[in-house]
Amino acid sequence: GAVVSQHPSRVICKSGTSVKIECRSLDFQATTMFWYRQFPKQSLMLMATSNEGSKATYEQGVEKDKFLINHASLTLSTLTVTSAHPEDSSFYICSASSEQGVWYGYTFGSGTRLTVV
Amino acid sequence: AQKITQTQPGMFVQEKEAVTLDCTYDTSDQSYGLFWYKQPSSGEMIFLIYQGSYDEQNATEGRYSLNFQKARKSANLVISASQLGDSAMYFCAMREGSGANSKLTFGKGITLSVRP
Repeated sequence: GAVVSQHPSRVICKSGTSVKIECRSLDFQATTMFWYRQFPKQSLMLMATSNEGSKATYEQGVEKDKFLINHASLTLSTLTVTSAHPEDSSFYICSASSEQGVWYGYTFGSGTRLTVV
Repeated sequence: AQKITQTQPGMFVQEKEAVTLDCTYDTSDQSYGLFWYKQPSSGEMIFLIYQGSYDEQNATEGRYSLNFQKARKSANLVISASQLGDSAMYFCAMREGSGANSKLTFGKGITLSVRP
């Protein structure tokens, strides 16, 4: 089956620094990557959708300059939280889908718990 | 209007009994898909079951079945023979359209606790 590897699983950073989260599709080509944010006991909120080689499409209210998404290849997408602040502390999770070959549905990474101190 | 509605705030079930988690949806698309995911405390999203809007039979996957009532726009998840490991948060989600790049819309989720 399809697997998405997400790293790091946990990260603590100082306020004002940037953090990069990676999602790699291991055995399929992820033509589309979705990035979500989740607060404790709440639902997943879609932040942006990215297609390989194109600029990401951000949901309303999501700052594109703060949450930089890169999807330069069919197997790698990254989310960079720039100038992180404590309010950016959250659980971030990616989900990949492919229009090539067998459709495995939406394959989720294992998530990244970001704490900004 | 919410596209996915999960109104049960928390559910409790005795081990080995069956439980139904409710989900209603709202869409004007003819082609759509409905998903259920399980999220344990570790945070990973575990895919449980999928129902396409054109599927005539209710989907089943092991102990999971989806009670799909299209006219009522409901897609309830039934877990049979509950196990302690089923304790988690459960999300219903919908994909509108048929493209692989169609986004998922999630409900608020339901917390299920299985009692020994």
